[in-house]
Amino acid sequence: QLQLQESGPGLVKPSETLSLTCTVSGGSISTSTYYWAWIRQPPGKGLEWIGNIYYSGSTFYNQSLKSRVTISVDTSKNQFSLKVISVTAADTAVYYCARRVRTERTLDIWGQGTMVTVSS
Amino acid sequence: QSALTQPPSASGSPGQSVTISCTGTSSDIGGYNFVSWYQQHPGKTPKLMISEVSKRPSGVPDRFSGSKSGNTASLTVSGLQTEDEADYYCSSYAGSNNLVFGGGTKLTVL
Repeated sequence: QLQLQESGPGLVKPSETLSLTCTVSGGSISTSTYYWAWIRQPPGKGLEWIGNIYYSGSTFYNQSLKSRVTISVDTSKNQFSLKVISVTAADTAVYYCARRVRTERTLDIWGQGTMVTVSS
Repeated sequence: QSALTQPPSASGSPGQSVTISCTGTSSDIGGYNFVSWYQQHPGKTPKLMISEVSKRPSGVPDRFSGSKSGNTASLTVSGLQTEDEADYYCSSYAGSNNLVFGGGTKLTVL
């Protein structure tokens, strides 16, 4: 059964770079059926799609975050990653990675999420 | 892209039915049949309940159903059970590989 697991620092200083990795187990990331996505949820607030990547490296980003976000993939490690530069307190959130079904445009399997706090 | 609009709260008694709306525009909900609904219990990961407006993934009870009319999608929970108390989020494809979420609705089972 496919599982996703986020990992990375739980605390990042303002103006620095947030870096997270999602490890996919129980299946290959190199499949034409899916994209691999990042979503975040600030404390007490709703979900926000950050972007997603195809195993070939093609990326799509939320326009509101595009200037600060980079998503990359490492197929040899079955991982994909998120970087957010110049973070502020507004980037404090639970960050989820998820599998996005290309044809259905839906997020069918999610990681457990990791809390990232931006604070000095 | 702007967030989809959901009522902040909804409620119903056990056994009753409740419907949660999700309003967008012709650029998202109205333009595509790719509306999804997610259930999130406190402190837990979102769970896919409905995809493509009305399709239930395997394992989701048939008490959950989805529909769409124009720029508004709806999630109906029939025969409410206490375990249905959770936050519900809609999402829609918005073109050019974009996804947009609603603000979430807190469903209370009275």
